[in-house]
Order: sequence, then structure tokens, then C-alpha cells
Amino acid sequence: DAGVIQSPRHEVTEMGQEVTLRCKPISGHNSLFWYRQTMMRGLELLIYFNNNVPIDDSGMPEDRFSAKMPNASFSTLKIQPSEPRDSAVYFCASSVAGGPVNEQFFGPGTRLTVL
Amino acid sequence: AQRVTQPEKLLSVFKGAPVELKCNYSYSGSPELFWYVQYSRQRLQLLLRHISRESIKGFTADLNKGETSFHLKKPFAQEEDSAMYYCALRGFGNEKLTFGTGTRLTIIP
Repeated sequence: DAGVIQSPRHEVTEMGQEVTLRCKPISGHNSLFWYRQTMMRGLELLIYFNNNVPIDDSGMPEDRFSAKMPNASFSTLKIQPSEPRDSAVYFCASSVAGGPVNEQFFGPGTRLTVL
Repeated sequence: AQRVTQPEKLLSVFKGAPVELKCNYSYSGSPELFWYVQYSRQRLQLLLRHISRESIKGFTADLNKGETSFHLKKPFAQEEDSAMYYCALRGFGNEKLTFGTGTRLTIIP
């Protein structure tokens, strides 16, 4: 099992461009989480899904950010338009909701640089 | 509201010395507390959780509800312990994890 898969691993773009980050959760996991990691704020939860339904998007910074989960094996996080302050590492994680362990498994992250 | 505070962004300890990474939390109900670790070039991964009351890689953490703390401890630091450590909290019946800002631990040979 490759674990949680994220693409791309690195993204460099210019301010104003649209950025799409992708995530494939572990097969059989029914919860998916998007986090942003910065030096100043650490790890912040942006949004999470349960059974493909968004449950809590209170961490999404503003309307420029949107996330979708069209099926159990794929999710996207989109930033449009991107700004330099969006530069960060974005992590996706998945878990089995309600399971006895309920551990979140993280992907390798996407390092986003907005120039 | 739930909140996790890790007061030290950076911590350097000599090899063989004791390690303590501080974590304090704020939560009105019964929380679940976790420590996650990110080694260089590796994924963030679960180190331990308070309900398991286990020792992993020599690390332990005790939930102190009176002091609302969940400090991570190890009696003798090893070089391979150098990593980024995050304390995290989950409210009862909630899937959402709230992380602290993290502590970068460096073990000096």
C-alpha cells in the first residue's frame, strides 16, 4: 500500500494563477483531511470530509480556497487566484472514521510556492 | 473551542540527556491527546496517544487533566530523535484534530 498519495509534490506558480492540489486517500478510509503547514502557524486544518461530504470547512481561509471530493478515492484543493501568502506545505490525511484506532495517515505533502 | 499550545518552537538537547517537549491544551470536555512526529524527509506519523498509555521509541506522555498538559518525555535522548514534534487534540466524538505549532527537537551528538 502506497499510503496517501498527493500530487504534485512541488508547485511553483505566479500570483494570480489557479493552483490545484490532488489527493488519493488510503483505500477503505472514509475520512479525508486537508491541512496547511507554515512556520508561523504550524499545522492548520482547512477542511475535512466524511464519506465524501464536507463536514467542517471552518479552516478554509477565504473564498479563494475550495475543496471537492467527487468520490471516495480522490479529492482536490483549489486556490484561485493564488497569492504569495498561500505559500506553504499542504498535507492530505485520511482515516477510518469511528474505528477503534482512528489514526490519521498523512501524505507526503505538496510544497506550494507562489511568486 | 479547542486549543493546543507548544511553547517551544526549537529545543536542543545533548545526546543521552533527558528530553521534555511541553504541550498544554484547552478543551471543555474530555479530550484525546496525541503526539505526531515528522522525521526529516518522512511523512508526519503518529507517535503515541494518551489512551494507549504506551511507550514508543522510549517516549512517554501522561495526560494531566489538572494542569491540562500532555508533555512528551524521554529519559535519554538519541540522535535519531531529532525531528519535528506536534501535539494534537481531538474532542470526544469528533474526527477533527487540532495541532499545536510544533517543536523542532535537535539532538546534539
